[in-house]
Amino acid sequence: AQKITQTQPGMFVQEKEAVTLDCTYDTSDQSYGLFWYKQPSSGEMIFLIYQGSYDEQNATEGRYSLNFQKARKSANLVISASQLGDSAMYFCAMRGLNTGNQFYFGTGTSLTVIP
Amino acid sequence: DVKVTQSSRYLVKRTGEKVFLECVQDMDHENMFWYRQDPGLGLRLIYFSYDVKMKEKGDIPEGYSVSREKKERFSLILESASTNQTSMYLCASSLRGRRGTGELFFGEGSRLTVL
Repeated sequence: AQKITQTQPGMFVQEKEAVTLDCTYDTSDQSYGLFWYKQPSSGEMIFLIYQGSYDEQNATEGRYSLNFQKARKSANLVISASQLGDSAMYFCAMRGLNTGNQFYFGTGTSLTVIP
Repeated sequence: DVKVTQSSRYLVKRTGEKVFLECVQDMDHENMFWYRQDPGLGLRLIYFSYDVKMKEKGDIPEGYSVSREKKERFSLILESASTNQTSMYLCASSLRGRRGTGELFFGEGSRLTVL
């Protein structure tokens, strides 16, 4: 069974501070991809970062980095130097590369950046 | 710029009406998806399609049907709308297989209210 768990319904962070959003996953696939998406209040889903299960280095994209711990099945998103525009819902997702094209999403974390 | 376009941002329908939600992508993607998003439940897959005229049930297909007559267009149909189908509907597309990261590209969403 494929499952994504985000245990933090809501998070607050001070502007310019770093924040970690947690994500754990469960999969029977040996090969899979992990994704993070941002959804501002306007509703569109914005792709942030990707980590392949066989990637040896943690993915980074600008202020976003993915803390990938394969043995613990966790793929936490780290946002450095938070900005007011980072306030949004964040979703972790997984795609098993051997089990077709389905994506599995967590329930999301609402991040609020405080000035 | 790559794009997934959903026909309506906001719809209000009455119980029992037939509802069509249209989605068009211009990226020549093989895979297309319909998700439903509700607070606290994340994104739940309704149906997906990996080719023209092909469709697969997702996690919550009851009360919905889909149509994919052309590669670029994927329609979600509510045969007889009910109040519990009031939700945000998100269409997405992706490349098939392992090419690139295979991330989902989303439309802006269609917020449906059934009275």
